[in-house]
Amino acid sequence: AQTIHQWPVAEIKAVGSPLSLGCTIKGKSSPNLYWYWQATGGTLQQLFYSITVGQVESVVQLNLSASRPKDDQFILSTEKLLLSHSGFYLCAWSRDRNTEVFFGKGTRLTVV
Amino acid sequence: AQKVTQTQTSISVVEKTTVTMDCVYETRDSSYFLFWYKQTASGEIVFLIRQDSYKKENATVGHYSLNFQKPKSSIGLIITATQIEDSAVYFCAMREARYKLTFGTGTSLLVDP
Repeated sequence: AQTIHQWPVAEIKAVGSPLSLGCTIKGKSSPNLYWYWQATGGTLQQLFYSITVGQVESVVQLNLSASRPKDDQFILSTEKLLLSHSGFYLCAWSRDRNTEVFFGKGTRLTVV
Repeated sequence: AQKVTQTQTSISVVEKTTVTMDCVYETRDSSYFLFWYKQTASGEIVFLIRQDSYKKENATVGHYSLNFQKPKSSIGLIITATQIEDSAVYFCAMREARYKLTFGTGTSLLVDP
């Protein structure tokens, strides 16, 4: 069975500080990987996707970047956090571009 | 651009009854995929059920079923015999022939004993 692990579970960071969030997928080789963001009480917005190691596509610009250094790892980062970056970040995977997406448990980020 | 609309912000039902949640979508693609997800109070997002646009038969999984009306661009979620633990926020989502999954704004379901 496939498992997806996200870290950290929660973060409180200062405006202007750097950020790095990560996730690891086990049990599936060459998964499609995604990052989503959810404002409190809001919908899920796709940020990035990656279909292979080293390749990441941006869906929406939020002064964030993503990388896929290994087949099973996806990293979301920024050098300078904004207040607007607060929210719930979810990593997800799918078998291919047409199938359902499965989510990790998410990281709650509070920027102060 | 694709768009997914859920007009019901919240629904309250009594346990063991049936509830229907609405979702309409916009797309220019002839082939697309529709999904329903549930977000629990802890924030966990769980995949429930999917409908492929080329399939005429409505999907059913456990006590979840879909009412797919393609001419109306509508994909309703039906939950039969609701349980307290079905209380959650339900999101409709659509996937076109790319790598993007677009979500609706969600419907909050409260199941009372």
